[in-house]
Amino acid sequence: EAQVTQNPRYLITVTGKKLTVTCSQNMNHEYMSWYRQDPGLGLRQIYYSMNVEVTDKGDVPEGYKVSRKEKRNFPLILESPSPNQTSLYFCASGVVPLHFGNGTRLTVT
Amino acid sequence: ELKVEQNPLFLSMQEGKNYTIYCNYSTTSDRLYWYRQDPGKSLESLFVLLSNGAVKQEGRLMASLDTKARLSTLHITAAVHDLSATYFCAVGGTNFGNEKLTFGTGTRLTIIP
Repeated sequence: EAQVTQNPRYLITVTGKKLTVTCSQNMNHEYMSWYRQDPGLGLRQIYYSMNVEVTDKGDVPEGYKVSRKEKRNFPLILESPSPNQTSLYFCASGVVPLHFGNGTRLTVT
Repeated sequence: ELKVEQNPLFLSMQEGKNYTIYCNYSTTSDRLYWYRQDPGKSLESLFVLLSNGAVKQEGRLMASLDTKARLSTLHITAAVHDLSATYFCAVGGTNFGNEKLTFGTGTRLTIIP
């Protein structure tokens, strides 16, 4: 089954404690991206990757890092999380249309 | 900067009625998507509209695209409770290589029996 798998689904952490949200897809897509969803703002792109070792910033990249060492994986790294990064995060892959993962609800206290 | 506006933001309608959700966008694009999101769930692709005048239908939902007016509509016919969800339109990226989607803020649809 074609899937975009994110982990964890829920994460509560404290300010400054580094965390990684993993994302894996089994559709051999070259393109992957990360979005955050906030009430009243819709979804906004954080980072995207066109292929292995090729990443670039989206609209709201501050405070985030990504890496793309393998085609199937695209982890999102928060090296020093802050409360304003409390949000619902979605990984996506493919192009037309984008396929979204199930989301990771992150709370930073 | 591309902006995408949806209206209404909230829609409460009775079963059996018809209604339309509107999506306006500010910059030329020929890729328009509609997604559905149930509470606590991911986004499910409903329609992909790739050209001016494109019309697609699935069950009680029909989407259309007018690229000249920069307008897409999602029409709901004879609504049923199962259609209760949040609907997003999204416009495809204009930057080569980055299929960034710019989303509207969503329309929360509630169907009342």
